Amino acid sequence: EAQVTQNPRYLITVTGKKLTVTCSQNMNHEYMSWYRQDPGLGLRQIYYSMNVEVTDKGDVPEGYKVSRKEKRNFPLILESPSPNQTSLYFCASSLQGAETQYFGPGTRLLVL
Amino acid sequence: QKEVEQNSGPLSVPEGAIASLNCTYSDRGSQSFFWYRQYSGKSPELIMFIYSNGDKEDGRFTAQLNKASQYVSLLIRDSQPSDSATYLCAVQGGKLIFGQGTELSVKP
Repeated sequence: EAQVTQNPRYLITVTGKKLTVTCSQNMNHEYMSWYRQDPGLGLRQIYYSMNVEVTDKGDVPEGYKVSRKEKRNFPLILESPSPNQTSLYFCASSLQGAETQYFGPGTRLLVL
Repeated sequence: QKEVEQNSGPLSVPEGAIASLNCTYSDRGSQSFFWYRQYSGKSPELIMFIYSNGDKEDGRFTAQLNKASQYVSLLIRDSQPSDSATYLCAVQGGKLIFGQGTELSVKP
């Protein structure tokens, strides 16, 4: 089954404790992206990757890191999480570019 | 001015009616336009995309694009309670920007 998976789905952590949210797709997509969704602010792009070893900042990259060592995986790293990073995070992928994206199920993060 | 603007709603329509969802955008160079549907607690899913001025129909859904006026709309005919969701407009120019979404409620 073609899909985008994210882990964990739910995470509660404390300020400053490094965490990684994994994202994997099995559709051989070149483009992958991370978004956060907050009430009243909609979906905002954090980082995106056009292909392996090619990443670029989205609209809200501060406090986040990503890597794209393999085509299927695009982890999101929070080196020192803060409460303002409490949000719902979505990973997405598409064949090329940002069009027709397929979204993962989401990761709900709470930073205390 | 927000780059992509939608009325947050909620928009309430009776079952069987036409639901009209609107979106305006600021980047005149935008070339691709998308409508995503997001059920409560779920991830967005693409339902329509449109690149050219005019209408594009897919079943009960019609996307309308007017580049001169910088708006894109989604019409849902014969609305069903199962259409109740938040509808996100996304516009691609140099980057893909999402609107805040319009919550649609279809009452039986």
